[in-house]
Amino acid sequence: QVQLVESGGGLVKPGGSLRLSCAASGFTFSDYYMSWIRQAPGKGLEWVSYISSSGSTIYYADSVKGRFTISRDNAKNSLYLQMNSLRAEDTAVYYCARWVYPDVLLGGMDVWGQGTTVTVSS
Amino acid sequence: QSALTQPASVSGSPGQSITISCTGTSSDVGGYNYVSWYQQHPGKAPKLMIYDVSNRPSGVSNRFSGSKSGNTASLTISGLQAEDEADYYCSSYTSSSAWVFGGGTKLTVL
Repeated sequence: QVQLVESGGGLVKPGGSLRLSCAASGFTFSDYYMSWIRQAPGKGLEWVSYISSSGSTIYYADSVKGRFTISRDNAKNSLYLQMNSLRAEDTAVYYCARWVYPDVLLGGMDVWGQGTTVTVSS
Repeated sequence: QSALTQPASVSGSPGQSITISCTGTSSDVGGYNYVSWYQQHPGKAPKLMIYDVSNRPSGVSNRFSGSKSGNTASLTISGLQAEDEADYYCSSYTSSSAWVFGGGTKLTVL
């Protein structure tokens, strides 16, 4: 079945780095835009970044621009988020998600992973 | 990009209908027919309920419907059921080629 599974979360000190992964299965990964969305404890959803199906178009929220890098490996059906210079306010559950239409960033995100928790604390 | 404005909470009794509003600007909600709605139960991942203002993904109950007027989008749930109790988030495409979420609305089924 269509599935996304995140991994790589954990506890990291302020200023540290972490790399999240999202493994896709059950669909043609290379056809879809993908996104990372996060949710701080007790807070709402915050869109973090997206990447086009080919990887040629990338966008970041202002809150992570210059610190986070999104990438994908279509041969491995995997999405990544490299997080550097982490801050306490980056503490959140991080979800990867697929956009509903192939090849366009429209519609909505119809497939979500279960989330991976990132805690930034000394 | 500022978050879209949603009421913090709404409530209704089983069988009733409720509507959750989502207010933006002409640069997001009002400018595009690309509004989506997500349902999130505690400890779970969000679930897409409505996309492109009023389209329901396969498997979503027809008790859920979406609409838009000007800069405000709305999610209506009819025939309220206990399982509908959850947090609901709207999201819209923006003129910055990005997406923005609303602050979320907690639905309580009385």
